[in-house]
Amino acid sequence: DAKTTQPPSMDCAEGRAANLPCNHSTISGNEYVYWYRQIHSQGPQYIIHGLKNNETNEMASLIITEDRKSSTLILPHATLRDTAVYYCIDGYEKLTFGTGTRLQVTL
Amino acid sequence: DAGITQSPRHKVTETGTPVTLRCHQTENHRYMYWYRQDPGHGLRLIHYSYGVKDTDKGEVSDGYSVSRSKTEDFLLTLESATSSQTSVYFCAAWGGTQETQYFGPGTRLLVL
Repeated sequence: DAKTTQPPSMDCAEGRAANLPCNHSTISGNEYVYWYRQIHSQGPQYIIHGLKNNETNEMASLIITEDRKSSTLILPHATLRDTAVYYCIDGYEKLTFGTGTRLQVTL
Repeated sequence: DAGITQSPRHKVTETGTPVTLRCHQTENHRYMYWYRQDPGHGLRLIHYSYGVKDTDKGEVSDGYSVSRSKTEDFLLTLESATSSQTSVYFCAAWGGTQETQYFGPGTRLLVL
């Protein structure tokens, strides 16, 4: 069973920031927070990961709370191509996926 | 993306037929995984491998076996396919500059 909790769906207007929340109630000290997304039926695509500190790359930013019990993925300027299912996972080397958040970006 | 390919990409077979799916990676990664994805269930881990000839079960391993005789290849076998094994199967490998899981394009299997 998935270890994380995410809202099943979210909407975001194109050009606005999309903030996707995740709860990691059972995360342990050596487990990372990972975010992936899946567009249509393609294989999941890695977005970003972190352990304790906030992280940023060319795709997104990751905010991890100090107690590591929750994280937020931020897509700073969402586009229609960001419409996908987003998965947050905590673990290392063997990742358990839940059902994710379906993000719909609209005009 | 760890150079992961899967074959075949699509397959239709009949109940009771053996089926083997192949996953191939070009980056010499130690860990490889097989997942299945069904509507409403996300991705569920079937089996994984942590080295040549070293494999272990995931959460939905019943009815599946795996083999890894070379680092680059991880085979998933359905000994006697059933309609409940109709699914999309994804292979993954762990590694790369980001030290994370990278996925193949998937195999759509239909068991009639």
